[in-house]
Amino acid sequence: DAKTTQPNSMESNEEEPVHLPCNHSTISGTDYIHWYRQLPSQGPEYVIHGLTSNVNNRMASLAIAEDRKSSTLILHRATLRDAAVYYCILLPHAGNMLTFGGGTRLMVKP
Amino acid sequence: EAQVTQNPRYLITVTGKKLTVTCSQNMNHEYMSWYRQDPGLGLRQIYYSMNVEVTDKGDVPEGYKVSRKEKRNFPLILESPSPNQTSLYFCASSLSWGGGTEAFFGQGTRLTVV
Repeated sequence: DAKTTQPNSMESNEEEPVHLPCNHSTISGTDYIHWYRQLPSQGPEYVIHGLTSNVNNRMASLAIAEDRKSSTLILHRATLRDAAVYYCILLPHAGNMLTFGGGTRLMVKP
Repeated sequence: EAQVTQNPRYLITVTGKKLTVTCSQNMNHEYMSWYRQDPGLGLRQIYYSMNVEVTDKGDVPEGYKVSRKEKRNFPLILESPSPNQTSLYFCASSLSWGGGTEAFFGQGTRLTVV
């Protein structure tokens, strides 16, 4: 199974952009890159996903490297509510088992 | 509001006493699944269902049962709970099977078996 590598933790100041990196050097051609986040005492929440092209939605942007071996989740203006554990996950085209590793704990300072 | 609803949110039970955790979604999703989350082990899939009457084992199915008699409901059954099933459980649903769709998760059920 393709694995992802993320930093254990990151800090950001409120209202500043945050770039959360993810390495996935063994990604296969049909793997989608998904990002979820988990706030304290809540279930995981979908953030964004993409295959090859960069993606934007109301929550974040996803920048995917040309070789697809890495990606970056971009929160344009961090708020205190964005403090959570962010998980980068690879999902095959035909498959739906979400395997969450350690993720990146994002701390947002006021 | 689109949501996945789990009940109960918290449950303390004794070893061997059968219990059911309910999961319901209101989005007409075909695919539903159950996960458990344990410190240091991440999220692990227990069972999944691709549609009504179609279920299959995930990574850690031992000690659990599921059923999918209606599209919206996917209960998790522990026939004889043991302390090693103390965990945080999540139900999830998505429109279909495949990496191109997003998953919606319930708020979780924290189960303690004593």
